[in-house]
Amino acid sequence: EIVMTQSPATLSVSPGERATLSCRASQSVSSNLAWYQQKPGQAPRLLIYGASTRATGIPARFSGSGSGTEFTLTISSLQSEDFAVYYCQQYNNWPPSTFGQGTRLEIK
Amino acid sequence: EVQLVESGGGLVQPGGSLRLSCAASGFTFSSYEMNWVRQAPGKGLEWVSYISSSGSTIYYADSVKGRFTISRDNAKNSLYLQMNSLRAEDTAVYYCARDHQYYYGSGSYRYFDYWGQGTLVTVSS
Repeated sequence: EIVMTQSPATLSVSPGERATLSCRASQSVSSNLAWYQQKPGQAPRLLIYGASTRATGIPARFSGSGSGTEFTLTISSLQSEDFAVYYCQQYNNWPPSTFGQGTRLEIK
Repeated sequence: EVQLVESGGGLVQPGGSLRLSCAASGFTFSSYEMNWVRQAPGKGLEWVSYISSSGSTIYYADSVKGRFTISRDNAKNSLYLQMNSLRAEDTAVYYCARDHQYYYGSGSYRYFDYWGQGTLVTVSS
């Protein structure tokens, strides 16, 4: 089973600033990596798939990069609605498809 | 508009059973693979089970293998999760999620593009 490790666990950033979230896989997942955003009491929402492709309707301030074992989600200018928990997911070697433990993005 | 609506959650005693349902609308359900994903209170996401579009291929997480059964009824646009021998550690919000493949050149990317709102299962005496 591939283990996904996200860092940091919590990230404090001011509105308007850039946020950089990391996700590391225990072995290569190629580019089969997705990012999700989850707000309290809501279901996860797909942001990025294929490591770098934004899902439909996702603002351009969200970008993904990386391949193999190292991935990054960048939010270029944080808006108030972006403060949430973010999860990465690998779907390259499955079953099981595995998620990271999440990064909580909070207002500084 | 794609909609996934889960139901069937509730309070059940350890060792008990529960059947979750997920009603799908807004897309051709029979063409899509589906999953169940759960989230324990205050915890992260855990994939639980997968079923192919026809129902012929099924996978489970080791944590539920032998206790949970995934199924679907394409005529009713519905996905199910039969949960038996429930344990306290099965307490979670259970989401159904649509599986999507994006094909490119020599391969494909897979991801969960739509999720239901979730249904809470609490296992406690």
